[in-house]
Amino acid sequence: DIQMTQSPSSLAASVGDRVTLTCRASQPIQTYLNWYQWKPGQAPKLLVYAATSLQGGVPSRFRGSGSGTDFTLTISSLQPEDFATYYCQQANSPPLTFGGGTKVEIK
Amino acid sequence: QVHLQESGPGLARPSETLSLTCTVSGDSVNGYYWNWIRQSPGKGLEWMGYIYYSGRGTYNPSLRSRLTMSVDRSMNQVSLKVNSVTAADTAVYFCARGNRANFNHYFMDVWGIGTTVTVSS
Repeated sequence: DIQMTQSPSSLAASVGDRVTLTCRASQPIQTYLNWYQWKPGQAPKLLVYAATSLQGGVPSRFRGSGSGTDFTLTISSLQPEDFATYYCQQANSPPLTFGGGTKVEIK
Repeated sequence: QVHLQESGPGLARPSETLSLTCTVSGDSVNGYYWNWIRQSPGKGLEWMGYIYYSGRGTYNPSLRSRLTMSVDRSMNQVSLKVNSVTAADTAVYFCARGNRANFNHYFMDVWGIGTTVTVSS
């Protein structure tokens, strides 16, 4: 199985901050990488697919980048509704696997 | 707007078969993949597998021997059965719609809010 490692596991930031989340695959996965946002009690939300493509309706402050084994999700200006846990997921080959998540908390 | 709603027993007894249903509203099950993912404190997020609307499934090898997924196109529902459950199957279970774009990139674009299952005697 392809292992996905996210860092940091949590971070504290303020509204307006630029935040960068990192995801690393245990082997190259081209751009078969997706990012999701999770909030307690809500349905998870797809933010970015194919490493860089923004899902419809997702604000442009979210940006995905990377290929191969190293990927990032950048939030250019953190908004109150962005405090959540973010997961990366590889779709290169089954079984699909997720990272351990990065929890973005209010500073 | 597409909406997914998982439903299940809440509590399952060890060694029994767990049955979960995902009801799809706002769109048809046709043309899509239907995934099951679970989240437990010990194992994080685990993709269990998906079933195509036509009935062809791809399962996580770690669970394959205990899983059955099916699609009921007339009811617009997707089902999951897990055999011989143990405490390790205690988790929140999510269904999610799978889709493809951009040269066959696969992603899960619509999710339910999940249903909690506790396995205990």
